[in-house]
Amino acid sequence: AQKVTQAQTEISVVEKEDVTLDCVYETRDTTYYLFWYKQPPSGELVFLIRRNSFDEQNEISGRYSWNFQKSTSSFNFTITASQVVDSAVYFCALNSGTASKLTFGTGTRLQVTL
Amino acid sequence: DAGVIQSPRHEVTEMGQEVTLRCKPISGHNSLFWYRQTMMRGLELLIYFNNNVPIDDSGMPEDRFSAKMPNASFSTLKIQPSEPRDSAVYFCASSLTRWNEQFFGPGTRLTVL
Repeated sequence: AQKVTQAQTEISVVEKEDVTLDCVYETRDTTYYLFWYKQPPSGELVFLIRRNSFDEQNEISGRYSWNFQKSTSSFNFTITASQVVDSAVYFCALNSGTASKLTFGTGTRLQVTL
Repeated sequence: DAGVIQSPRHEVTEMGQEVTLRCKPISGHNSLFWYRQTMMRGLELLIYFNNNVPIDDSGMPEDRFSAKMPNASFSTLKIQPSEPRDSAVYFCASSLTRWNEQFFGPGTRLTVL
């Protein structure tokens, strides 16, 4: 069985603050993939990143960075110098095993204010 | 590429009516997924297809729901008869393979009165 936990239901920050969204996953498989998606108020789901279980290198893309730590089963997402346009619900997801199903966390709602 | 296309974007119907949601995946993608999103249950996978074949439909709520993929460029999700508790946003997504990132369509907001 696979499970994704996003313990932070809602986070509010002021623009330009850094913010980290936590994601903890559970799986017995050695091969798996982790994802982050963004769902802005308009409702669409936007793919942000995919990471496989054999690649623990951190990744940076502009103001976004991801920290993957197998030792703690975590795949955290940091937004540096947050902006109002970052306001959205962010979902962490896991795909592992022969089932190949994407299991989503419950999401973290990020509110960035001026 | 146009991305995943879903129609209609909004559907309002009365209880008991048949509802058909449509999806055109990204060309070249071999896997297609149907999800449902509600406030109470979050994002749920209903069914997914690989090379047009249904692989896992364990998420389909009940027999009132059915999905087909007659060819690589088209899929439907049908609810017959519809009930108020089916009200939700239904997303279609496609990916190159089962393991790749999924790209989502804009969703269909279904309201059953």
